[in-house]
Amino acid sequence: QLQLQESGPGLVKPSETLSLTCTVSGGSISSSSYYWGWIRQPPGKGLEWIGSIYYSGSTYYNPSLKSRVTISVDTSKNQFSLKLSSVTAADTAVYYCARRPARVGATFDYWGQGTLVTVSS
Amino acid sequence: EIVMTQSPATLSVSPGERATLSCRASQSVSSNLAWYQQKPGQAPRLLIYGASTRATGIPARFSGSGSGTEFTLTISSLQSEDFAVYYCQQYNNWPLVAFGQGTKVEIK
Repeated sequence: QLQLQESGPGLVKPSETLSLTCTVSGGSISSSSYYWGWIRQPPGKGLEWIGSIYYSGSTYYNPSLKSRVTISVDTSKNQFSLKLSSVTAADTAVYYCARRPARVGATFDYWGQGTLVTVSS
Repeated sequence: EIVMTQSPATLSVSPGERATLSCRASQSVSSNLAWYQQKPGQAPRLLIYGASTRATGIPARFSGSGSGTEFTLTISSLQSEDFAVYYCQQYNNWPLVAFGQGTKVEIK
């Protein structure tokens, strides 16, 4: 059974960099059959796609966040990571990692449970 | 940028009744439309993809329809576990994806 688990600090200071890791178990992140992504949800609000990565390292970012986002993959640890720089209170959200099959017509099918990150001094 | 608009924001329905949720895209997304269910404190759960294909393990009371810019999610007979927030998502210009703002289905 595939499982995704987000981890990282729950509190980040304004202007600093938010760093999260998603650990994949029950499947290989190196498979050419999947993309891996980050989505966030501010408290009480809707979902926002942050970006996605392929096992090869190809990355795709939301244009509204592109200047601050870096997503990377570590196939040796079966993990992928998110870095969001220069955070403000507006970046306070539950951050989810998810899997998307690499075939036409597919979308995010497995999600982690999410981790709340609060930006505050 | 494709903008997804869901209506209504809140839908009050009695158990056993039918619920119809709408999603409109600002431009055609073909059939590249998904629906997710989210309960408090949980991650979104994929219900429908390809506008009308139920994901693995999703009950037959959930059905999706539409193409282009107009889409509908129908829950034929609401069960207690179906009261939740529902999001549509377009992925026509993958890898860029966009979600609607959500429709909350609450008990009437």
